[in-house]
Amino acid sequence: AQSVTQLDSHVSVSEGTPVLLRCNYSSSYSPSLFWYVQHPNKGLQLLLKYTSAATLVKGINGFEAEFKKSETSFHLTKPSAHMSDAAEYFCVSGGSNYKLTFGKGTLLTVNP
Amino acid sequence: DTAVSQTPKYLVTQMGNDKSIKCEQNLGHDTMYWYKQDSKKFLKIMFSYNNKELIINETVPNRFSPKSPDKAHLNLHINSLELGDSAVYFCASSLRTGQETQYFGPGTRLLVL
Repeated sequence: AQSVTQLDSHVSVSEGTPVLLRCNYSSSYSPSLFWYVQHPNKGLQLLLKYTSAATLVKGINGFEAEFKKSETSFHLTKPSAHMSDAAEYFCVSGGSNYKLTFGKGTLLTVNP
Repeated sequence: DTAVSQTPKYLVTQMGNDKSIKCEQNLGHDTMYWYKQDSKKFLKIMFSYNNKELIINETVPNRFSPKSPDKAHLNLHINSLELGDSAVYFCASSLRTGQETQYFGPGTRLLVL
């Protein structure tokens, strides 16, 4: 069975500083991995997707994530946080059983 | 030109009532999903249809019944609503089943009083 663990339930950064949201996955094979963002009272928007083509994946709004098989990690980063980045972020794993497995989410707060 | 749309956006109702939520996608996708997001933001899949055929049916009370009249629509009917049904319900679609990217609707916020 696959699982996704987001290591921090809440991350707080200052505007202009780097963002690191951590995600570990567990799977018996190389899964597809996604990061989604949910702004308050909104639906989920895809930030980026890993599908084994390249280990460093670039997404929208300056976010990127690196797939590290040896560490079973898929951490999300951004060099410089913006106020508009404040949202809930979900790390997601895609499996062979037609299902996506969602992490419990990390709330990103950006302080001025 | 919204890709995945849901109606209504908000739904406030009394316990015991029956309600429906509608979902439509104009992406030409074959697969559609219903998710429930609880108060702690945890997302759990409820159902999935591929070309109008049910392929995922998680452990959900049988008061919840999905219906897919065509592959662009997936509706969710809920009978005898209970307080614990209060949540945000998201519809999503993907091109195919498997590890495909899913595109989410804006959500329907259901409050049962």
